[in-house]
Amino acid sequence: NAGVTQTPKFQVLKTGQSMTLQCAQDMNHNSMYWYRQDPGMGLRLIYYSASEGTTDKGEVPNGYNVSRLNKREFSLRLESAAPSQTSVYFCASTELTVGYGYTFGSGTRLTVV
Amino acid sequence: AQKITQTQPGMFVQEKEAVTLDCTYDTSDQSYGLFWYKQPSSGEMIFLIYQGSYDEQNATEGRYSLNFQKARKSANLVISASQLGDSAMYFCAMRGFNQAGTALIFGKGTTLSVSS
Repeated sequence: NAGVTQTPKFQVLKTGQSMTLQCAQDMNHNSMYWYRQDPGMGLRLIYYSASEGTTDKGEVPNGYNVSRLNKREFSLRLESAAPSQTSVYFCASTELTVGYGYTFGSGTRLTVV
Repeated sequence: AQKITQTQPGMFVQEKEAVTLDCTYDTSDQSYGLFWYKQPSSGEMIFLIYQGSYDEQNATEGRYSLNFQKARKSANLVISASQLGDSAMYFCAMRGFNQAGTALIFGKGTTLSVSS
């Protein structure tokens, strides 16, 4: 099925541990995004990649790094997890030249203890 | 900077009634897009409706319509004939073309509860 695939769906980390959230899309979209969702805060942009080979910071980039491995894949890395990074993380992609649709992954629920 | 404001943390409506969810936006862009997404308790983000800044008519998609008032910078979502399955979180979002590589900027959301 065409779409955005995020792995893992759930993760519990200890403070200070590192991990990488994976995101892959099979729609040949150029642009990809990482958001975090916290209660009462909506979705906030962490990083984005307008096209393969480029990445830029969004509203809340501190504590995160990203890699646009190829056109399909856009990963989000937490180098030293903190309890403040407990959140639900969404990856999204779009190809604006063929329409206005954004496709979201199903999310990763991360808990840092 | 672009901003989306949703002032209703929660809304309550009975089945078959219509409900309006408020959204105001702020942008200096001339060209932009406005979106509404639904997030049920299962967590997925479901696209509902889109309005372009140059669209002269309000967007409609089935029971959803977007009341676009450009001068007031508002983009309210109207759900007609509410159903129990409409109970969810609703997010208003905007896409500009000058910042953040066309990323969507979201409001904080409104929780809609539909009762029988």
